[in-house]
Amino acid sequence: ELKVEQNPLFLSMQEGKNYTIYCNYSTTSDRLYWYRQDPGKSLESLFVLLSNGAVKQEGRLMASLDTKARLSTLHITAAVHDLSATYFCAVDWDRDDKIIFGKGTRLHILP
Amino acid sequence: KAGVTQTPRYLIKTRGQQVTLSCSPISGHRSVSWYQQTPGQGLQFLFEYFSETQRNKGNFPGRFSGRQFSNSRSEMNVSTLELGDSALYLCASSWGQGPPDTQYFGPGTRLTVL
Repeated sequence: ELKVEQNPLFLSMQEGKNYTIYCNYSTTSDRLYWYRQDPGKSLESLFVLLSNGAVKQEGRLMASLDTKARLSTLHITAAVHDLSATYFCAVDWDRDDKIIFGKGTRLHILP
Repeated sequence: KAGVTQTPRYLIKTRGQQVTLSCSPISGHRSVSWYQQTPGQGLQFLFEYFSETQRNKGNFPGRFSGRQFSNSRSEMNVSTLELGDSALYLCASSWGQGPPDTQYFGPGTRLTVL
């Protein structure tokens, strides 16, 4: 069965710093997603990564995918308070097309 | 373009009752997926419908069921509610069949079982 592990699960960081969230998954996959969830709100799609070596960037967030290592990273550059949220990675399990989510990384950016 | 809508937004039920939640996808989207979100288990896949057919089902008991109508609107039903069914239920829509490029999530229905 596909397992998706994120780390860290909680991250408190200062504004202006850089950090990376890691997403490991246990078996082959067609695609990997990153979502953002603000407290009490729904999920907002950030990125979908479709192939080995894919890199996507939006503002201060950059996501990458290494399918050989079964690893995706979400890198935050010069963090700002507005990026405080919970970030989820999710993997499409190519055996049966179910989308499996990680536990989420709760990011708290201190002003 | 209107987003994914879910009704009701909040619901309080007692153990043993049943509940029906509704999801209207984005216009033109034919695939609807349902997820349960709890603090302990996180986001778990419930089922996916495409063109009125259930394509996939997660590891939930038979008390959880769903359906999709010809206009792509979807409902999920939970019978004989248990305390552990308290959760945020999210639906997501996407355009076609198979793994989506992007899923658009609705605001969710928060179900509390007393």
